[in-house]
Amino acid sequence: NAGVTQTPKFQVLKTGQSMTLQCAQDMNHNSMYWYRQDPGMGLRLIYYSASEGTTDKGEVPNGYNVSRLNKREFSLRLESAAPSQTSVYFCASSEVSNQPQHFGDGTRLSIL
Amino acid sequence: AQRVTQPEKLLSVFKGAPVELKCNYSYSGSPELFWYVQYSRQRLQLLLRHISRESIKGFTADLNKGETSFHLKKPFAQEEDSAMYYCALLYNQGGKLIFGQGTELSVKP
Repeated sequence: NAGVTQTPKFQVLKTGQSMTLQCAQDMNHNSMYWYRQDPGMGLRLIYYSASEGTTDKGEVPNGYNVSRLNKREFSLRLESAAPSQTSVYFCASSEVSNQPQHFGDGTRLSIL
Repeated sequence: AQRVTQPEKLLSVFKGAPVELKCNYSYSGSPELFWYVQYSRQRLQLLLRHISRESIKGFTADLNKGETSFHLKKPFAQEEDSAMYYCALLYNQGGKLIFGQGTELSVKP
């Protein structure tokens, strides 16, 4: 049982390039989330999808877009990457929105 | 505004010593709080939630609304408890979690 799978695990981009981070879950969860983790700041919510067909902004949505492609998949897109977006990105899912969240392994993204 | 504060970046104890990882929150509504743990080279995973009132791996946490705290405690630390611990607040029914900055627990032999 893979749980939450994120691809890629590592990526280096140049400023201005675009990139889509992929996330898929096999637990039939309704809700999915994207976080970024920066040193000394814990995890901060970027966007979330409470259910298939809905997406909402989190704490730090600027510079990102998301797509809830279907119940399983929730992608995060950086249209024009900036060095400030260098971070570790985590995807998570939960059965419904107020239940504990299950996390992926993370994507380490560096923007030069 | 909603906030979760973990005042200690690093907590170092010896095996067998008691452990308390501090968590304070700021929230005007009825809080729902969690502790997540990330062991080395593993995923972030749920350790416990306050509404369950469980003891997981010997850890407990009690919600103190008067002090707005949700400290994580264990009477006798083990080396395998060494990890990064995050306190998190669920602040609306949309599933939004606010995380604290995290505390790295190091248990020395």
